[in-house]
Amino acid sequence: QQPVQSPQAVILREGEDAVINCSSSKALYSVHWYRQKHGEAPVFLMILLKGGEQKGHDKISASFNEKKQQSSLYLTASQLSYSGTYFCGTVSGGSNYKLTFGKGTLLTVNP
Amino acid sequence: DSGVTQTPKHLITATGQRVTLRCSPRSGDLSVYWYQQSLDQGLQFLIQYYNGEERAKGNILERFSAQQFPDLHSELNLSSLELGDSALYFCASSADRVGAGELFFGEGSRLTVL
Repeated sequence: QQPVQSPQAVILREGEDAVINCSSSKALYSVHWYRQKHGEAPVFLMILLKGGEQKGHDKISASFNEKKQQSSLYLTASQLSYSGTYFCGTVSGGSNYKLTFGKGTLLTVNP
Repeated sequence: DSGVTQTPKHLITATGQRVTLRCSPRSGDLSVYWYQQSLDQGLQFLIQYYNGEERAKGNILERFSAQQFPDLHSELNLSSLELGDSALYFCASSADRVGAGELFFGEGSRLTVL
């Protein structure tokens, strides 16, 4: 039930791009993306809903392939502030509203 | 500041004891979620309430229980504590009922069981 994220960790230099992937074995109703910095609470980045609706920050982009139950988060022109652990969360829908998170992807952006 | 308040921030207790973690959601949010985060683990979903009713349940141990009160605050009760229960417990609130809305996380309650 827990979505699978890849890669587990990635190291970038400032200005480089990265893609974080999230996949589920179940049909999805929504995909959530959050970022957590060390010692802090997770912070909302984006929600992608079945049917194409997206809600989130303008500087973040993501995709949601409903047929493949996959989502990708695109981080472009990375900044030092992008460092943190990125979590993908999924809701399978139906009568199941559990928002289940993956194990996270640790992103480190170096100068 | 997310607007979600969790107390206590830190708690140290012994095995076999019982503790209560409290969460006040953002003003107007009817959904409350509880998550457990251990070292090297992601955010493990425990339980969700919406307007006082249990909405979804995760891998919450039988030793753990939760409820949401009429004023919408929620409490997570952990009993017969074991060393493995040491973790950061997050509460999050949302205006949404079905997992289609942003979650606002509190700063967490760090539980240490000795």
